[in-house]
Amino acid sequence: QQPVQSPQAVILREGEDAVINCSSSKALYSVHWYRQKHGEAPVFLMILLKGGEQKGHDKISASFNEKKQQSSLYLTASQLSYSGTYFCGTVHTGTASKLTFGTGTRLQVTL
Amino acid sequence: EAGVAQSPRYKIIEKRQSVAFWCNPISGHATLYWYQQILGQGPKLLIQFQNNGVVDDSQLPKDRFSAERLKGVDSTLKIQPAKLEDSAVYLCASSPGTGGRGDLHFGNGTRLTVT
Repeated sequence: QQPVQSPQAVILREGEDAVINCSSSKALYSVHWYRQKHGEAPVFLMILLKGGEQKGHDKISASFNEKKQQSSLYLTASQLSYSGTYFCGTVHTGTASKLTFGTGTRLQVTL
Repeated sequence: EAGVAQSPRYKIIEKRQSVAFWCNPISGHATLYWYQQILGQGPKLLIQFQNNGVVDDSQLPKDRFSAERLKGVDSTLKIQPAKLEDSAVYLCASSPGTGGRGDLHFGNGTRLTVT
């Protein structure tokens, strides 16, 4: 079952913050976040395992609410290099590591 | 470390023809995935291997698609015969982890156009 992301698209000015949400209708084991630039392959950002942990590196962080079956990606003080399409990927409990990608959120950072 | 290698980079074929894609994962990565990404959509899992065994192929159109992973290393994905709706980027990824704990490393993909 494909996770649903919101918003579908967002435009930011450099330095602004953004939040991308990912929700699933089934129990989650882990949530992955990837960024894909136009014409390129997706690049891994981070993985969160069940247990409600929060992770981050540099100015990008994420949280995972196991009870709500949701994850959020936080981009702080956005940079031009953050532009791209962000995908969450979910692994549901008992599905032998099958990673299902979400609908995607297109992020554009402008000057 | 060398990344995931895929070939060819681009392929144009006519409908009803056959095509094959090749993937060489990162050395030591036990899990290998093939995803299909249609323009504007998220990658869709076609098949997942753990070493040379199939873990999930529930979304693989088995009447026309086939995949194998020989000796738990390289993998090939074949389409025979191709349809117009198969036009997409085919992404191969490998992971050092199992059970949903590992990050996926993607190759550059093969862009397939079916005319």
